[in-house]
Amino acid sequence: QVQLQESGPGLVKPSQTLSLTCTVSGGSISSGDYYWSWIRQPPGRGLEWIGYIYYSGNTYYNPSLKSRFTISVDTSKNQFSLRLTSVTAADTAVYYCARRTLGQRDAFDIWGQGTMVTVSS
Amino acid sequence: SSELTQDPAVSVALGQTVRITCQGDSLRIYYASWYQQKPGQAPVLVIYGKNNRPSGIPDRFSGSSSGNTASLTITGAQAEDEAVYYCNSRASNGNQVVFGGGTRLTVL
Repeated sequence: QVQLQESGPGLVKPSQTLSLTCTVSGGSISSGDYYWSWIRQPPGRGLEWIGYIYYSGNTYYNPSLKSRFTISVDTSKNQFSLRLTSVTAADTAVYYCARRTLGQRDAFDIWGQGTMVTVSS
Repeated sequence: SSELTQDPAVSVALGQTVRITCQGDSLRIYYASWYQQKPGQAPVLVIYGKNNRPSGIPDRFSGSSSGNTASLTITGAQAEDEAVYYCNSRASNGNQVVFGGGTRLTVL
């Protein structure tokens, strides 16, 4: 079955750039049936959708977030990535990658386990 | 508006029925999906579409929708259903999605 696994640094200094990668196993990221997504959850708070990417490279982002986020896809590695510039303490959160299945399901049906990112000097 | 509103907390006696609601303008156009999150774990999809359960989700979970309100109903709540439940749908423009703030369910 399809599995997602996040990877990246657990600790980032303020003003630096955070890069996270999600590796998809058990299925192809190039299927046209899915959006590949990033969602975050600050400690003790709710889920916040960051954005998603289609295998072709089309992206959609949460308009409520400042444009510090970039999502990219590498179909040759079956991975997609998140880049966040100029991080602050407010970016401390668990970052999840998730698959959004399109069509009738139209839901996030597979999630990674999440990776905790702490922004601190 | 692209917001989804949920009650912060709900409680239910063991074995009783509880309804968790989610309100938002986009729900007039799009179905909500519902996610269960237990402490320290990733969210799990429990309901999607009109009223569909992924494989492995007990049939005590059901969904419904009317106007701008979507509901998740647990019929015969069990102790293991204690969790935070989030609703999610597309935003009114269709290209983005939005989560509700979450409802913490306590099973008494």
